[in-house]
Amino acid sequence: QQQVKQSPQSLIVQKGGIPIINCAYENTAFDYFPWYQQFPGKGPALLIAIRPDVSEKKEGRFTISFNKSAKQFSLHIMDSQPGDSATYFCAATLDDKIIFGKGTRLHILP
Amino acid sequence: DSGVTQTPKHLITATGQRVTLRCSPRSGDLSVYWYQQSLDQGLQFLIQYYNGEERAKGNILERFSAQQFPDLHSELNLSSLELGDSALYFCASSNSLSVQYFGPGTRLLVL
Repeated sequence: QQQVKQSPQSLIVQKGGIPIINCAYENTAFDYFPWYQQFPGKGPALLIAIRPDVSEKKEGRFTISFNKSAKQFSLHIMDSQPGDSATYFCAATLDDKIIFGKGTRLHILP
Repeated sequence: DSGVTQTPKHLITATGQRVTLRCSPRSGDLSVYWYQQSLDQGLQFLIQYYNGEERAKGNILERFSAQQFPDLHSELNLSSLELGDSALYFCASSNSLSVQYFGPGTRLLVL
């Protein structure tokens, strides 16, 4: 019940395409859903986050779509660039506990 | 720069040895988290401290231990090291209930 399932494990998209990364959770008590971006050899960094009372949030080229009834949320990257190539982790938090998905390795082809 | 510092950046040691990894959280953050990330693996939560007290434990081996000091810095001690302990070790800190800020990590190589 504490798991966050993330898919796909890896993704290759042409420059300008829209990669979509999906996550699903079980525990309806989770109250915050952040996405982290990690470049090779670096620590993960908060990218964008959403609360469950909002269905969509945009920050620049990054959009989170949230479906509370389905207990699913996804990250869309508009006009993807080679510099977006990184590993992306979705997460869900409850109080000060955070549960990470297993990550998606994204590669944007030039 | 997240404001979280970790030392050392790299560590090479031999099997059976003991090492200590250090983390300084962001100013004002009371919570410190430790994670292990092996090659092609996700983030494995090890342990959390809050204001000096252990708050939560994840998949931390008995050979590993941690503590948080009064100045809020934290240390992760890894003993009887095995080849499989080679990984990136991240520290994160938080002052809110939702967001963690990660340090740059310590890359440990056990030979």
